[in-house]
Amino acid sequence: DAGVIQSPRHEVTEMGQEVTLRCKPISGHNSLFWYRQTMMRGLELLIYFNNNVPIDDSGMPEDRFSAKMPNASFSTLKIQPSEPRDSAVYFCASRLDSGSGGYTFGSGTRLTVV
Amino acid sequence: SQQGEEDPQALSIQEGENATMNCSYKTSINNLQWYRQNSGRGLVHLILIRSNEREKHSGRLRVTLDTSKKSSSLLITASRAADTASYFCATAQGAQKLVFGQGTRLTINP
Repeated sequence: DAGVIQSPRHEVTEMGQEVTLRCKPISGHNSLFWYRQTMMRGLELLIYFNNNVPIDDSGMPEDRFSAKMPNASFSTLKIQPSEPRDSAVYFCASRLDSGSGGYTFGSGTRLTVV
Repeated sequence: SQQGEEDPQALSIQEGENATMNCSYKTSINNLQWYRQNSGRGLVHLILIRSNEREKHSGRLRVTLDTSKKSSSLLITASRAADTASYFCATAQGAQKLVFGQGTRLTINP
């Protein structure tokens, strides 16, 4: 398996633009998580899905952030409009509920909003 | 919100020495996990210890859990240069949600 695949790896955008981050979880994993990592706040859970259904989005910072999981093999995290304070590394992770319990992380998307 | 707090924030040792990192948390947990992150990369799952376990081993890794003190430790024995990375503890709250600490930055000097 190729692991959790995220795209793009790097994104530089201007303030006010829409940004879409993409994630393909490991085939067969039924839970998917979006995290954001910054020096100041560390790793923050934004939202997670179970069997494609959003379970907890309490970590989504504000209405500018939205996430979807239209099927078991694809998820998006959208920021509209983007702001400089959204600059961070965004990670997607997936997990099989009946597995060992550990998450498999993607390589992340480094977002810079200028 | 951050649940775990790692101690120390940074650790630098010589190759071959043992490295010990500690993690404290605040609420009841189902399990506690340790992850490694190399610079610029995603996190890699190392080991999981359940709330009813006290110690677990995996290769050169040894993890302990003391639920009465709400603390865990990760010991890496016979460290190697390739062990240089940041190490995070994460606590599982409920069935799914993992909350990560701020991490310990470990440097192994050759």
